[in-house]
Amino acid sequence: NAGVTQTPKFQVLKTGQSMTLQCAQDMNHEYMSWYRQDPGMGLRLIHYSVGAGITDQGEVPNGYNVSRSTTEDFPLRLLSAAPSQTSVYFCASRPTVGNSPLHFGNGTRLTVT
Amino acid sequence: RKEVEQDPGPFNVPEGATVAFNCTYSNSASQSFFWYRQDCRKEPKLLMSVYSSGNEDGRFTAQLNRASQYISLLIRDSKLSDSATYLCVVSPGSNYQLIWGAGTKLIIKP
Repeated sequence: NAGVTQTPKFQVLKTGQSMTLQCAQDMNHEYMSWYRQDPGMGLRLIHYSVGAGITDQGEVPNGYNVSRSTTEDFPLRLLSAAPSQTSVYFCASRPTVGNSPLHFGNGTRLTVT
Repeated sequence: RKEVEQDPGPFNVPEGATVAFNCTYSNSASQSFFWYRQDCRKEPKLLMSVYSSGNEDGRFTAQLNRASQYISLLIRDSKLSDSATYLCVVSPGSNYQLIWGAGTKLIIKP
């Protein structure tokens, strides 16, 4: 019953550092996505993928890269961390057939100092 | 006009009361609808999908009004544990994206 697994749960970076947030799902979902949520705010879509080898930008893609080499994994890379990227990051997946809801990981809480 | 709009609240409701939220959407071609709940600093969790004929899950009832383009969530006999933010989600159907409302905060008071 793993579902969507995100690592790490918490991370502190210094400005300018890079890192990769990991996301894996074991439900064979074609669609995967990354959201960020700032305090008191709604979810904003960063990047998404509808299958291995296919990625696209969401609402707030700047400063982030993604790749999708397998169905299971969808890592999010911060190229040069900035304090404005301090946020909670959620990975989510769903099937692309039918009207299916999104399944979320537990989130990664990132602080950039 | 936002694609999906919700009253941000907070709704302060005594325990045991009935509370209802509405969520309006702008795309008349929207095909699927969901309610999620989100506890503070946790991931959103699916509360229920919303079907055309309306559906009920225990104390929770969801309804869809396509003519007026809104969905609703009714919570009966509210519990302290119902305190959370309730998120309305709409799928336009033309792609795989989901459009999220900003959420309605519910506070149940003893």
